[in-house]
Amino acid sequence: QQQVKQSPQSLIVQKGGISIINCAYENTAFDYFPWYQQFPGKGPALLIAIRPDVSEKKEGRFTISFNKSAKQFSLHIMDSQPGDSATYFCAASFTPGTYKYIFGTGTRLKVLA
Amino acid sequence: KAGVTQTPRYLIKTRGQQVTLSCSPISGHRSVSWYQQTPGQGLQFLFEYFSETQRNKGNFPGRFSGRQFSNSRSEMNVSTLELGDSALYLCASSLPDGGVAFFGQGTRLTVV
Repeated sequence: QQQVKQSPQSLIVQKGGISIINCAYENTAFDYFPWYQQFPGKGPALLIAIRPDVSEKKEGRFTISFNKSAKQFSLHIMDSQPGDSATYFCAASFTPGTYKYIFGTGTRLKVLA
Repeated sequence: KAGVTQTPRYLIKTRGQQVTLSCSPISGHRSVSWYQQTPGQGLQFLFEYFSETQRNKGNFPGRFSGRQFSNSRSEMNVSTLELGDSALYLCASSLPDGGVAFFGQGTRLTVV
């Protein structure tokens, strides 16, 4: 019940294409869902986050879609660029009061020039 | 504003030894959490500290311990190192009232 399942494990997209990464969770007590981006040799950096009372959140080329009834959420990267090539992690937590994040297994994205 | 600083960046230890890793949070952040990242298990929560008190603990053996000091700096200790403890250890700091967790670059521990 504490797991967050992430797919696909890896993704190759052409420059200008749309990258889509999906996550699913079981525990309905989760109420904060961040996405982190990690480049080799660096720590994860917050990309965008959403709470379950919102069905969609957009920041620049990055959009989170959230389906509370299906217990699923996804990251869409529009107009994907080679600089977006990184590993992406979805996560879930119970907030406020904790930073105990349950992370997905990660998606390695490669955007071809 | 300086980011989260972790020292050392790289460490090689022998099985059976112990190791201490350090984390300096962003100024003003009082919550510090630790994660272990491995290719096989991904990012796994170790523990979280706020105001020198452990607030949450993950499913790791007692060989893994941590503490937080009055200036919010944190250390984690791993005793009796095993080969499987080889990993990137990440520290994140946050404001106590929720919001973004900022990660450091991590300490790469190799146990030989």
